[in-house]
Amino acid sequence: DAKTTQPTSMDCAEGRAANLPCNHSTISGNEYVYWYRQIHSQGPQYIIHGLKNNETNEMASLIITEDRKSSTLILPHATLRDTAVYYCIVGGTSYGKLTFGQGTILTVHP
Amino acid sequence: DGGITQSPKYLFRKEGQNVTLSCEQNLNHDAMYWYRQDPGQGLRLIYYSQIVNDFQKGDIAEGYSVSREKKESFPLTVTSAQKNPTAFYLCASIPGQGYGIPGELFFGEGSRLTVL
Repeated sequence: DAKTTQPTSMDCAEGRAANLPCNHSTISGNEYVYWYRQIHSQGPQYIIHGLKNNETNEMASLIITEDRKSSTLILPHATLRDTAVYYCIVGGTSYGKLTFGQGTILTVHP
Repeated sequence: DGGITQSPKYLFRKEGQNVTLSCEQNLNHDAMYWYRQDPGQGLRLIYYSQIVNDFQKGDIAEGYSVSREKKESFPLTVTSAQKNPTAFYLCASIPGQGYGIPGELFFGEGSRLTVL
């Protein structure tokens, strides 16, 4: 199973873009990259996913490198409510083992 | 509304007692998962099930047991063999292939177990 590596914590000013990196160097060719976030004491919430191409939805953008060994989640205009733990995971092809890492604690400052 | 229901939300038990946490989903999802979260830590996979009557161990299965007799239900038993059971437990499910976003996990609200 592919594992992911993320920075432990990051800060961002309100209104600015938050760029959260993730390394997944052992990802296999048919595995997706998923991003979730967790606000204290709640279940994680799905944000976005991608396979090879960059993706954008109403919440965020996902940039995946050409070799697929890393990706970046972009919150274009961070708000205080975006303060959360952000998890990058890989998998989803056979609905098998889905493993979360430690995630990145994003703190958005006024 | 469809969703995942975990119960109880809070549970207190004495050391040495087995505890069963309930997870029910009415989303018609095939795969279900149990995760454990300790304070300030990420989610760790306990067990998962891709189909009825089948389940696999995750990374920290020791001291836990599960069953999947019905598609909708995936209860987790925390046995007395689990050395440090106090934690936040999250149940999740995934739609079957061809339905929804592939691999998107839908989470319940969690059960917080405290062993006294």
